[in-house]
Amino acid sequence: EVQLVESGGGLVQPGGSLRLSCAASGFSFSSYWMHWVRQAPGKGLVWVSHINSDGSTTTYADSVKGRFTISRDNAKNTLYLQMGSLRAEDTAVYYCVREEYSNGNFDYWGQGALVTVSS
Amino acid sequence: DIQMTQSPSSLSASVGDRVTIPCRASQSIGFYLNWYQQKPGKAPKLLIYAASTLQSGVPSRFSGSGSGTDFTLTISSLQPEDFATYYCQQSYTTPRTFGQGTKLEIK
Repeated sequence: EVQLVESGGGLVQPGGSLRLSCAASGFSFSSYWMHWVRQAPGKGLVWVSHINSDGSTTTYADSVKGRFTISRDNAKNTLYLQMGSLRAEDTAVYYCVREEYSNGNFDYWGQGALVTVSS
Repeated sequence: DIQMTQSPSSLSASVGDRVTIPCRASQSIGFYLNWYQQKPGKAPKLLIYAASTLQSGVPSRFSGSGSGTDFTLTISSLQPEDFATYYCQQSYTTPRTFGQGTKLEIK
């Protein structure tokens, strides 16, 4: 059974940092592109970042470029999102998502990790 | 970036109704269009990919159509569990942008 389990969310002050982790199981993690998608309270889904299967290519939404870093450890089957210079508008539930390789759809989602940026 | 537009942002319907939810892309994306359902407090769930292919386990009352820039999600006979928010997403290119969502509410 495919599972994606996020951890590391919490309350952080503006300007602070936080690292999210996503533990993957039930599939060949190293074969798949992975993404982070976020959802602010009461708002829609917003794509944040992607990393290819071997970690050599990453992309970011303009809103997080230069502040967030996506990475992966294929030996540990884990995806990361290092978030820095956090702002109130980064407050959201962050989802770890697997991309299905033939169609590009997001076929498995984690349960989400809540990040709250507030003083 | 490709912009995905969903309008209306909400619509009301009754159990048993046939409902269509539109989605438009700012440029042609072929058949690289996916639909997700999200219920409150839950992660989104993939319903349809490649514009019209039903994800395994999704009831056959859901269907998708369209190509290029205009797409539609259809629910043939609404069930109580279908009241949720629906998002379209393009997977033609990165970033994999989402529409703003259409909330389906009980009339």
